[in-house]
Amino acid sequence: GQQVMQIPQYQHVQEGEDFTTYCNSSTTLSNIQWYKQRPGGHPVFLIQLVKSGEVKKQKRLTFQFGEAKKNSSLHITATQTTDVGTYFCAGLDAGGTSYGKLTFGQGTILTVHP
Amino acid sequence: NAGVTQTPKFRILKIGQSMTLQCTQDMNHNYMYWYRQDPGMGLKLIYYSVGAGITDKGEVPNGYNVSRSTTEDFPLRLELAAPSQTSVYFCASSYGRGGASQYFGPGTRLLVL
Repeated sequence: GQQVMQIPQYQHVQEGEDFTTYCNSSTTLSNIQWYKQRPGGHPVFLIQLVKSGEVKKQKRLTFQFGEAKKNSSLHITATQTTDVGTYFCAGLDAGGTSYGKLTFGQGTILTVHP
Repeated sequence: NAGVTQTPKFRILKIGQSMTLQCTQDMNHNYMYWYRQDPGMGLKLIYYSVGAGITDKGEVPNGYNVSRSTTEDFPLRLELAAPSQTSVYFCASSYGRGGASQYFGPGTRLLVL
């Protein structure tokens, strides 16, 4: 079945440093979504990428979708303590009838030291 | 709108006991999902539903059952609880297929002893 791998598993940064997490799928994706989960909270949708090579920005967050639609990245510029949490990518397989079933990566836990 | 609500927030079960985790959404979403999240891990899909009366297995369905009699409600039943079912359970909903964004409930923390 489809697998989505995410690296790194953990990332510790000083406030103000940049942060990047990478997501790789074993299959071609229709789209990829990113979610953020604050400690003790639930996942919250951030963004969806659909097109090959797509780049989207949300303030200090930049999301990219690979040309082959099998990988993606999330980059945070100048991290803040409010960025703390786990970032998940979730991919929708391009083949078959997925009925909206996303496959989640294992997430990257980001800690930010003030 | 309350969004997706889940009850209870926390529960301790003894091995062999059964319980139902409740999930309700008020967004008129057709698609609903149950996930479990183990510590430091991603989300594993247990069951999903594409509409009232239609359910199907996800990645890790063993030990669980679901029903979907209404659009709003999607309860998850645990039969004969086992320590391996200790986890955080999230219910989610989305308005359609094609990878629409999912809205998650606050979760139920379950401890099986």
